[in-house]
Amino acid sequence: EADIYQTPRYLVIGTGKKITLECSQTMGHDKMYWYQQDPGMELHLIHYSYGVNSTEKGDLSSESTVSRIRTEHFPLTLESARPSHTSQYLCASSEGPGAGGYTFGSGTRLTVV
Amino acid sequence: ILNVEQSPQSLHVQEGDSTNFTCSFPSSNFYALHWYRWETAKSPEALFVMTLNGDEKKKGRISATLNTKEGYSYLYIKGSQPEDSATYLCAPQSNDYKLSFGAGTTVTVRA
Repeated sequence: EADIYQTPRYLVIGTGKKITLECSQTMGHDKMYWYQQDPGMELHLIHYSYGVNSTEKGDLSSESTVSRIRTEHFPLTLESARPSHTSQYLCASSEGPGAGGYTFGSGTRLTVV
Repeated sequence: ILNVEQSPQSLHVQEGDSTNFTCSFPSSNFYALHWYRWETAKSPEALFVMTLNGDEKKKGRISATLNTKEGYSYLYIKGSQPEDSATYLCAPQSNDYKLSFGAGTTVTVRA
């Protein structure tokens, strides 16, 4: 039973469209993260948040933006999708350092045509 | 971003055999080492979080060791079963609490 939900699971969209990838968690975790993974490559951190109204860019530069208005919700938005944005996007949350591992969502596989 | 090396990239194991693989990471600025199992079409699942040099953790037939001084961790699978087929991700956590992931070791257990 998932405690962190991502929608949609798969998305194929045309170039120039605005898209929002949804991520919600029911565990009350303050810390949430977005990772991007290209096929056969490592997960790279693109955004993170340590609480409401707190967002930071990750280690990999991304044209996407995020918001954290509610603890449980951490959506990612691309204002104008491009083929270079084709990738898998994974959302995760954690209680914090020393509290165990991250809980991951199922991911969104995005294809921009 | 930490440079994380996992080897081998993939391996095939006969059911019932044991196997192990490695994660190497920079020993400086170290806070913890995470291991995740990622089965196809599922979410990555946390296996272990280790912090101390010499730590050993066990979960069923899977165990892991940690050497923070030389910057490596081993993950062992004893008596491999088909359900152990997955990609195993290693992720060192630095003092700023961010994780850096390796590309993973993909294990395929043949019946």
